[in-house]
Amino acid sequence: GQQLNQSPQSMFIQEGEDVSMNCTSSSIFNTWLWYKQDPGEGPVLLIALYKAGELTSNGRLTAQFGITRKDSFLNISASIPSDVGIYFCAGQTGANSKLTFGKGITLSVRP
Amino acid sequence: ETGVTQTPRHLVMGMTNKKSLKCEQHLGHNAMYWYKQSAKKPLELMFVYNFKEQTENNSVPSRFSPECPNSSHLFLHLHTLQPEDSALYLCASSRTLTGRYSNQPQHFGDGTRLSIL
Repeated sequence: GQQLNQSPQSMFIQEGEDVSMNCTSSSIFNTWLWYKQDPGEGPVLLIALYKAGELTSNGRLTAQFGITRKDSFLNISASIPSDVGIYFCAGQTGANSKLTFGKGITLSVRP
Repeated sequence: ETGVTQTPRHLVMGMTNKKSLKCEQHLGHNAMYWYKQSAKKPLELMFVYNFKEQTENNSVPSRFSPECPNSSHLFLHLHTLQPEDSALYLCASSRTLTGRYSNQPQHFGDGTRLSIL
């Protein structure tokens, strides 16, 4: 089946820094979703992308649907302590396919 | 306030107990899902319901029994669980069924942290 690769498993940054995460696959996807999960809570949808090349922002977060349709990027600018959490990518290869999730990247922000 | 509410938040049970997890969504969605989340693994889809009819069972052991009395409520009945069933169980909903020619995003509850003694 389709797999989504997120690496590294963990990222450590200083407060105020920008950070970029990517999500890759060997398969073509037509929908990309980015979720954040805080400790003890469920994943919360951050950004949804539906078109190759699409760039969408949500506050300090920006996500892009890669041109090859095999990857997506999430950028966080001017990080703050509450950005700590696990960031998951998810996607569908077609409108008639299941949602596939990556393993997530744990982000730590040092004050 | 989350649109998807799960209770209880934490559950500790013995292997011979019977318990149920509850999920309620206030979003007017028609599709609901159960996922299992274990450390360092992608979310595992367990069951899918669309308009309260089960459309998918991802080879889940029979000790997990779902129930969907209406589009807003979803239960997961548990009995004779094993230690490896300890995990976070997440419920999600979407306006239309993901994968039925739809890419509507799924919205998650905060999960039930299940520990099997």
